[in-house]
Amino acid sequence: EAQVTQNPRYLITVTGKKLTVTCSQNMNHEYMSWYRQDPGLGLRQIYYSMNVEVTDKGDVPEGYKVSRKEKRNFPLILESPSPNQTSLYFCASTGGHDEQFFGPGTRLTVL
Amino acid sequence: AQKVTQAQTEISVVEKEDVTLDCVYETRDTTYYLFWYKQPPSGELVFLIRRNSFDEQNEISGRYSWNFQKSTSSFNFTITASQVVDSAVYFCALDYGQNFVFGPGTRLSVLP
Repeated sequence: EAQVTQNPRYLITVTGKKLTVTCSQNMNHEYMSWYRQDPGLGLRQIYYSMNVEVTDKGDVPEGYKVSRKEKRNFPLILESPSPNQTSLYFCASTGGHDEQFFGPGTRLTVL
Repeated sequence: AQKVTQAQTEISVVEKEDVTLDCVYETRDTTYYLFWYKQPPSGELVFLIRRNSFDEQNEISGRYSWNFQKSTSSFNFTITASQVVDSAVYFCALDYGQNFVFGPGTRLSVLP
């Protein structure tokens, strides 16, 4: 089954404690991206990757890092989380200009 | 700059009413793609439709229809005979090459 998986689904952490949200897709897609969703703002792109070892900033990259060492994985790293990064995060992948397949979301709370 | 506007923040209708969700986009690119996604209360994002900038044909899929007008940079979505299960947040999105931008979403509530 074609899918995008994210882990964890829920996370409560404290300010400054490094965390990683994993994302994996099994569709051999080249393009992957991370979004955060906040009320009234829709989904805003954090980072995207056109292919392995190719990443670029989206609209709201501050405070985040990503890596793309393999095609299937695209982890999101928060080196020093802050409360304003409390949000719902979605990973997505697409094979071209087709629909994006979204993961189930990760709800992050930073205290 | 690329931008997607969904001016309707929230809409409430009674079941069986028709409802149209508006989407206006901005881009300088001549080749682009437009999407609609549905986010039900369970939270997942469900793909509804993709349309490229060279195809202005309207599309109908069951109770759903889409009206794409390049002249007004709009890609509106109509639900005919709405049902309670249509209650969700609906997002319009623009793919302008290497990047995607989403509108802020419209929350649709269909009351029984």
